[in-house]
Amino acid sequence: AQSVAQPEDQVNVAEGNPLTVKCTYSVSGNPYLFWYVQYPNRGLQFLLKYITGDNLVKGSYGFEAEFNKSQTSFHLKKPSALVSDSALYFCAVRDDGTGGFKTIFGAGTRLFVKA
Amino acid sequence: GAGVSQTPSNKVTEKGKYVELRCDPISGHTALYWYRQSLGQGPEFLIYFQGTGAADDSGLPNDRFFAVRPEGSVSTLKIQRTERGDSAVYLCASSPGSGGMQETQYFGPGTRLLVL
Repeated sequence: AQSVAQPEDQVNVAEGNPLTVKCTYSVSGNPYLFWYVQYPNRGLQFLLKYITGDNLVKGSYGFEAEFNKSQTSFHLKKPSALVSDSALYFCAVRDDGTGGFKTIFGAGTRLFVKA
Repeated sequence: GAGVSQTPSNKVTEKGKYVELRCDPISGHTALYWYRQSLGQGPEFLIYFQGTGAADDSGLPNDRFFAVRPEGSVSTLKIQRTERGDSAVYLCASSPGSGGMQETQYFGPGTRLLVL
């Protein structure tokens, strides 16, 4: 069965500094990987996804993520953090080895960007 | 166009009661998903519909939980004999349904259920 781990409950970064939110996964087949962001009192919003091809994926709001098959990771990155990036971030995976559309989410990482 | 909507936004009920939670997907989306998000956790998959049929209901925790989508659009999640442990935010998502596993899901704002 597929699984996702977000090893950090919280990440703190100063505005203007680069940020990284970590995600590792486990699948039996090939992964389909997603990042979502959740702002207070709002639904989850899609940021980016990896399906196949280029390992560096670019998404919304200047975010990007790097797929690393050997390390089974899909870390979310942004070169220069904004205070408005402060939110809860979720990594998610689908496993084509199971053939199903079940999406497994990590527990989330809260990002605090300090001015 | 309108996004995914869910009603009610909040629901308070008593232990043992029956509740229904409604999801209106994005128009034209044939795939619909239900998730449960407990405090401090990520969304937990419950069930996936493709059209009117439940293609994967492996996430439903027990037989008190049931979901329907009779016309392939609106879906209702039904919880019988509610328990305090059912308290959570119930999220609905939809996707076009034609793109396979790579499709992006679009989430609604959720229904916050509190069982007293």
